[in-house]
Amino acid sequence: GAVVSQHPSRVICKSGTSVKIECRSLDFQATTMFWYRQFPKKSLMLMATSNEGSKATYEQGVEKDKFLINHASLTLSTLTVTSAHPEDSSFYICSAARTSGNKNEQFFGPGTRLTVL
Amino acid sequence: QKEVEQNSGPLSVPEGAIASLNCTYSDRGSQSFFWYRQYSGKSPELIMSIYSNGDKEDGRFTAQLNKASQYVSLLIRDSQPSDSATYLCAPRKSSASKIIFGSGTRLSIRP
Repeated sequence: GAVVSQHPSRVICKSGTSVKIECRSLDFQATTMFWYRQFPKKSLMLMATSNEGSKATYEQGVEKDKFLINHASLTLSTLTVTSAHPEDSSFYICSAARTSGNKNEQFFGPGTRLTVL
Repeated sequence: QKEVEQNSGPLSVPEGAIASLNCTYSDRGSQSFFWYRQYSGKSPELIMSIYSNGDKEDGRFTAQLNKASQYVSLLIRDSQPSDSATYLCAPRKSSASKIIFGSGTRLSIRP
């Protein structure tokens, strides 16, 4: 159990275009999902917390108009990088929170490697 | 003071030995503690969670928690080359809170 998928796994796009990344919890419902970004050899950086049916909560310094998050259902959250630029090239990883009894754990998707030319 | 402190490593351990990974955290209100393993170029994988003081064992892994000292550790027995990865310590205040990740300790198991 606790499988989280992401699509696409890899995307190359031209500067100025928008890219949508999907995150799905396959075998559990997730009211909360998280979006992270990771640059090579650096720590995971939390970008935003996505709550089903409500607006995402963005971390300080993350532009909400540039990184659009939609959590339309209990198993799907999407991140859209709008007007992408080369500096947005990174490894984007989502995670989904699963509650089981008194445990609440986060499971990560496999990540999406974005390259903006 | 960083919220989560881990020695960045690399920590080199011979195959078959015990690898000991340490982590300290600053928020006394932290209630849940997680260890994730991340291979190079991959996303983190949850390997252990611990919620109360003491030891918790799962296969070759043992997590140890001391809330009074704000210290959590992960022991890996009978280390294998496949254990070579970055290990992320991640405390959390409550189930509604975000997880705070440390920068990770890079572990290298030498054959």
